[in-house]
Parts: sequence; C-alpha cells; structure tokens
Amino acid sequence: EVQLVESGGGSVQPGRSLRLSCAASGFTFDDYAMHWVRQAPGKGLEWVSGITWNSGGVTYADSVKGRFTISRDNAKNSLHLQMNSLRTEDTALYYCAKAKGFGGDFDNWGQGALVTVSS
Amino acid sequence: QSALTQPASVSGSPGQSITISCTGTSSDVGGYNYVSWYQQHPGKAPKLMIYDVTNRPSGVSNRFSGSKSGNTASLTISGLQAEDEADYYCSSYAGSNTVLFGGGTRLTVL
Repeated sequence: EVQLVESGGGSVQPGRSLRLSCAASGFTFDDYAMHWVRQAPGKGLEWVSGITWNSGGVTYADSVKGRFTISRDNAKNSLHLQMNSLRTEDTALYYCAKAKGFGGDFDNWGQGALVTVSS
Repeated sequence: QSALTQPASVSGSPGQSITISCTGTSSDVGGYNYVSWYQQHPGKAPKLMIYDVTNRPSGVSNRFSGSKSGNTASLTISGLQAEDEADYYCSSYAGSNTVLFGGGTRLTVL
C-alpha cells in the first residue's frame, strides 16, 4: 500500500523559513516524479512544485519561484520542500503527491502538513 | 499561470447525470491530452478519478467519465449517488512540467 506522510508543518512569522518533508513507502520511490500541492483554508487546490525521478528537472509555480526549493533523497524515499521568505498568502495545507504518469496526474496523496504564516 | 475555469457549483438528484466543465487555453487543456479530475470530500485528501482525459484508475466507478473538446474538458457523473457529493477539481498539464488546477466545483446531491 502506498503511503505518503508529510511532516514539518507549523506556525511561523512572515519572512521566516520552514522545511516540509514527505516520507514515502509502498512503491519504488525513484521510479516516479513527485509534487507538492497546497490548499489554502476554504480554497481550491494549487500546484506548487514538481521534481522528476532523478532530480534532473524541477519546476515551480510562479507564486513560489525563487522562494521555495524542492528536493528528494531517493536513498531515503523522501521528498522535501524548503520554504523561505514565507508570506501570509503561503498559509495552506501542503500535500505531497505521487505522479502517476507524465501529465501531472497524481494518484496518491498524503494527508497534508499545515503551514500557517502569521505575525 | 491562470487557474482553469470551473463552475462554482452544480447539483442533481439521485439517479440523474451531471456534467462539470473545465475551461482552459490552447497552452494547457487544449494543447495536451493530460487532463485529470479529482474528488475531495471535506477534511480528506483529493482522490484521482480520471486521468489522461478519459481514463479511470482501478477502483473508480464507471459512473465517472471524462471527455475533452478544444480547450474545454468535462467530467460526467451518471446515476448520481449521495456519496458523490463532494468538491471536484480538474487539472491540466501546462507545459514545461507545470500543472494547473481549476478553481473547483461543489457538487450537491439533492
């Protein structure tokens, strides 16, 4: 059974940093691209960032480009999101998601890590 | 990177069929056969219902079907059931390994 478990969420002040992690199990982690998707309270889904199986390709939404960095450790079956210069609008539940194929379809999701940015 | 356009809400009675639209541009929905649909119940993670425009993952009811015409994709749910009441999101590959989501549609089963 595929399991994705996020950690590292919390409350921080604007301008500070936070690092999210996602522990993966139940599948061959280095066979798949992985992504982060977020959902602000009461709002819709927003794709944040993606990384290819070998870290050769990383992409970001315009809203986080230059502030967030995605990475993965295939030896440890883990995905990470380093979030710097956090803004109040970054407040959201951050989901780790496994890509099914090439086209941005996500067939497995974690339960999410809540990030709250507030002064 | 503008969000795809979905109706805010749709409703239907048990047994009826409903369709949710998802409108993008030639740079996303119209340019690739990589449209997905997700179902999200309150407090739960999204669940993949349709991928690559028309394909259903194993375990998803055949009451759910997807299609696309030009820059607009659609999700049809036939034989509506109470458990179908949820939020539905479309997504599309948008080139350069980026993904766009729609704003979401709240389905109410009357």
